[in-house]
Amino acid sequence: ETGVTQTPRHLVMGMTNKKSLKCEQHLGHNAMYWYKQSAKKPLELMFVYSLEERVENNSVPSRFSPECPNSSHLFLHLHTLQPEDSALYLCASSQGPQETQYFGPGTRLLVL
Amino acid sequence: TQLLEQSPQFLSIQEGENLTVYCNSSSVFSSLQWYRQEPGEGPVLLVTVVTGGEVKKLKRLTFQFGDARKDSSLHITAAQTGDTGLYLCAGLSSGTYKYIFGTGTRLKVLA
Repeated sequence: ETGVTQTPRHLVMGMTNKKSLKCEQHLGHNAMYWYKQSAKKPLELMFVYSLEERVENNSVPSRFSPECPNSSHLFLHLHTLQPEDSALYLCASSQGPQETQYFGPGTRLLVL
Repeated sequence: TQLLEQSPQFLSIQEGENLTVYCNSSSVFSSLQWYRQEPGEGPVLLVTVVTGGEVKKLKRLTFQFGDARKDSSLHITAAQTGDTGLYLCAGLSSGTYKYIFGTGTRLKVLA
């Protein structure tokens, strides 16, 4: 238990669906992150939020839309995804944007 | 593009053996972390190293940060089956919010 929770743990969606991934951290951290982990590729940073403000968008397609309503919660809104978007989506948090990150268990996403 | 290459990619050893995993880059990092990830779970932090030449020990695991802060190694003594997992290094580029993750080393320790 790292203090970072993610829901749902598994998600299957069609290409026309809209769904959201949720992350919550109980560590009092000020920075939160979304990563994508695909088979045979290194973890890819998607978004960084610091004090609820987006400070990094790593050239992510607009079909992924992040939202950070407060420093404890982070969402990733998904719409019109492609099969190649199937992956493990990991959320992480840190005290500040350059501090050590603590990861949640991830959401395993399958796009059909 | 910054890259962190880990070697070996795969490693299968018998319980009780020693092993070393390497994490190499041509870039300088202000800090470097090592994580272990088990199937279906997120990476779990093992250690953070910050100073060039730094050595940290965590029970049977020894971590070293290179003098130039471009590389790191993880040495496991007397491996146990519970050490099985994917080992990831991650470096923080100076002046950015961006962690670069390594390609990973998948370790399997056989009983």
